[in-house]
Amino acid sequence: GNSVTQMEGPVTLSEEAFLTINCTYTATGYPSLFWYVQYPGEGLQLLLKATKADDKGSNKGFEATYRKETTSFHLEKGSVQVSDSAVYFCARAIQGNTPLVFGKGTRLSVIA
Amino acid sequence: NAGVTQTPKFRVLKTGQSMTLLCAQDMNHEYMYWYRQDPGMGLRLIHYSVGEGTTAKGEVPDGYNVSRLKKQNFLLGLESAAPSQTSVYFCASSGQGLYGYTFGSGTRLTVV
Repeated sequence: GNSVTQMEGPVTLSEEAFLTINCTYTATGYPSLFWYVQYPGEGLQLLLKATKADDKGSNKGFEATYRKETTSFHLEKGSVQVSDSAVYFCARAIQGNTPLVFGKGTRLSVIA
Repeated sequence: NAGVTQTPKFRVLKTGQSMTLLCAQDMNHEYMYWYRQDPGMGLRLIHYSVGEGTTAKGEVPDGYNVSRLKKQNFLLGLESAAPSQTSVYFCASSGQGLYGYTFGSGTRLTVV
């Protein structure tokens, strides 16, 4: 079926550590892929996206590369800050603006 | 500010009561969605709409009804609330193409 699988959290890191949150997907066709971030008490915000294989989405120091061969879209950041503490969701959509399917979310806590 | 507005932000219902959650967007988006967020489950799609006057079922539609009488509004109704509907509800909208969603800030509903 069509699904998104994220690594389970919570993830706790010290400030300036390297972050990786794994995301893999199953889907027919060539889905567009997204990372959303949810800060405490807020709705989700689009963090970055990629619409085709080998595309790299980036924003606020976060990056993710669309890997068709491994059906993955892992989120990375070289040096996390306390302000990055949030829940991160991977999502995919099939071409044609069908509803997004979200992973279960990964909670990140960054400590000073 | 442009965006998606959800009302109310919080509500407590007794089992069997009914209520309507309102979602309003001012971005002239065609597509609107209702998701529920539960611990460990991520976001699950309840219903969605691809345009004024249209609605479609998502992953978990049972116990909910929706209406999209005006393009800017998407209403989510609970006819007879159950404790299993205790959740945080998010509305989102999107335009043409795969530009990602704009989310509201959520409605926290407790059914006792």
